[in-house]
Amino acid sequence: AQSVTQLDSQVPVFEEAPVELRCNYSSSVSVYLFWYVQYPNQGLQLLLKYLSGSTLVKGINGFEAEFNKSQTSFHLRKPSVHISDTAEYFCAVSTYNTDKLIFGTGTRLQVFP
Amino acid sequence: GAVVSQHPSWVICKSGTSVKIECRSLDFQATTMFWYRQFPKQSLMLMATSNEGSKATYEQGVEKDKFLINHASLTLSTLTVTSAHPEDSSFYICSARAGGHITGELFFGEGSRLTVL
Repeated sequence: AQSVTQLDSQVPVFEEAPVELRCNYSSSVSVYLFWYVQYPNQGLQLLLKYLSGSTLVKGINGFEAEFNKSQTSFHLRKPSVHISDTAEYFCAVSTYNTDKLIFGTGTRLQVFP
Repeated sequence: GAVVSQHPSWVICKSGTSVKIECRSLDFQATTMFWYRQFPKQSLMLMATSNEGSKATYEQGVEKDKFLINHASLTLSTLTVTSAHPEDSSFYICSARAGGHITGELFFGEGSRLTVL
């Protein structure tokens, strides 16, 4: 079975500062990894995904993430955040033989002016 | 990108009544849809996998008779919360996988917030 751990439930940061949201996963088979963003009272929007190939993945809104197989991590980064990045961020994992997405508990990114 | 729409976005009902939530794939056919439940400030918990033309597959601990799922066409899945009680109040989100898209990519609806009084 797969599992996802997001160690930080909340990350406060000032506008224009860099940010990293941590995600670690556990799986006995190869995985696909995703980051989703959720704005208040809305569904989820895909930020980026890792399926194969280059371990550095670039997504929308200036976000990027790096897949590290040895550390079983897929941390999300942005060099300079905006107020509008305030939202809940979810890391998720699936495998090649299942459609199911297993989500982490989420990280609330709060950007202050 | 592909679009998934849920209706209604908000619903308030009395305890004991049933509520139906629709999930539609607007510009693609979805043989498989997923229903998630999200409690306040918590993650999404997969409730069931909805398969077009067959019975849904429920996750452990999810009551099949409580949460009825019907996937009658390639663009529509419905979740009916039967005899709703206040503890059923939650944010319900559906997702759909589009055929031809990269394996593992899902598109999410905007969610439906159910409040049972």
